[in-house]
Amino acid sequence: QSVLTQPPSASGTPGQRVTISCSGSSSNIGSNYVYWYQQLPGTAPKLLIYRNNQRPSGVPDRFSGSKSGTSASLAISGLRSEDEADYYCAAWDDSLSGPEVFGGGTKLTVL
Amino acid sequence: EVQLVESGGGLVQPGGSLKLSCAASGFTFSGSAMHWVRQASGKGLEWVGRIRSKANSYATAYAASVKGRFTISRDDSKNTAYLQMNSLKTEDTAVYYCNLPITIFGVVVSDYWGQGTLVTVSS
Repeated sequence: QSVLTQPPSASGTPGQRVTISCSGSSSNIGSNYVYWYQQLPGTAPKLLIYRNNQRPSGVPDRFSGSKSGTSASLAISGLRSEDEADYYCAAWDDSLSGPEVFGGGTKLTVL
Repeated sequence: EVQLVESGGGLVQPGGSLKLSCAASGFTFSGSAMHWVRQASGKGLEWVGRIRSKANSYATAYAASVKGRFTISRDDSKNTAYLQMNSLKTEDTAVYYCNLPITIFGVVVSDYWGQGTLVTVSS
């Protein structure tokens, strides 16, 4: 059972906009930055969003993040086939769970 | 170019020990924190722990699931971080990644990952 809650799956057709939610608590999302990772099949994760809504260099602006209270969302616009991957949210946690916690991951399928 | 290369994975019996290494190059290793993250087959990511730099007293932190059994250390002269795993359980079976966060004023703005090394705990 992950500390952060994500839907196990999401899907969309090319060109569509999809969102993935991430729910936490006051000790993690509520008081710390949210990060999003993309993991393509068979590869290591890659940082997609940092500090709630910032993109590392090289990440397309089709990817955007937001946070409100103890929840966060990742939005992908202009969906492309290469976006099919697993997406994880993460945040630092101020409780005994450990400094960093992840969501369970959302598998995005591009139909 | 930043490179992180893990090694040391393999098959170990429950209750056994294993030491993973993460050899780093392409950046100032001594000034960087290093993290370990694992992923069981078909499962999500789980943060294992981290070690900070000498400037931050080599401070370590661990996930509750491994605290007391796993120890993270580093040798700055060899640009290598280590994950010593003792009292291994079947649920520790996973691919273990080392992770280098790039921070600006304490905020992670990018990161690098190794290719991962598989640890299998089974009798």
